[in-house]
Amino acid sequence: AQKITQTQPGMFVQEKEAVTLDCTYDTSDQSYGLFWYKQPSSGEMIFLIYQGSYDEQNATEGRYSLNFQKARKSANLVISASQLGDSAMYFCAMDRSARQLTFGSGTQLTVLP
Amino acid sequence: GAGVSQTPSNKVTEKGKYVELRCDPISGHTALYWYRQSLGQGPEFLIYFQGTGAADDSGLPNDRFFAVRPEGSVSTLKIQRTERGDSAVYLCASSLGTATDTQYFGPGTRLTVL
Repeated sequence: AQKITQTQPGMFVQEKEAVTLDCTYDTSDQSYGLFWYKQPSSGEMIFLIYQGSYDEQNATEGRYSLNFQKARKSANLVISASQLGDSAMYFCAMDRSARQLTFGSGTQLTVLP
Repeated sequence: GAGVSQTPSNKVTEKGKYVELRCDPISGHTALYWYRQSLGQGPEFLIYFQGTGAADDSGLPNDRFFAVRPEGSVSTLKIQRTERGDSAVYLCASSLGTATDTQYFGPGTRLTVL
């Protein structure tokens, strides 16, 4: 069975600073994908970034980067230059050949002015 | 283009009633997924369609839950004899249907069972 663990229920960061949100995963699959989604208070899940298990380079999308350490089974999200609009719940998720996503419990990020 | 849409945005019903939740995926997306998100938790998988058929319904909690996608586009999640524990946000997502592709989510339907 797959499992995603997000150990930080809440995080605070000062505006314009960088923040790392932790995610560890457990799977016996060799091929899988790792995703990060943002969920603002409005409720919609917004896709941020994707990392495939066979990708050798860490994924980057604008201010988002994924620090993928396969041996440690971690896929941390790094947000650079935080903005007030980054305040939201962030979910790490994993899929496999079965296609369904398994989500972690989320991290509530608050960006302070 | 338009994203995933879900209707209604909110649904309040009484215990024991039947409800239908609708999802309209992104045009051209062959894969469609339903998830349920309880308060303070991450979404949990319910069912996945590839085209018209349910490729994986292992997440449906019991036989009160059923979903259809008759023409391979719009999907309806149906809940019979609703219980208070069914109260949650029901999220729909769609994707291109290729291997390890990205799922794009709709705004969800908040179901409240009184």
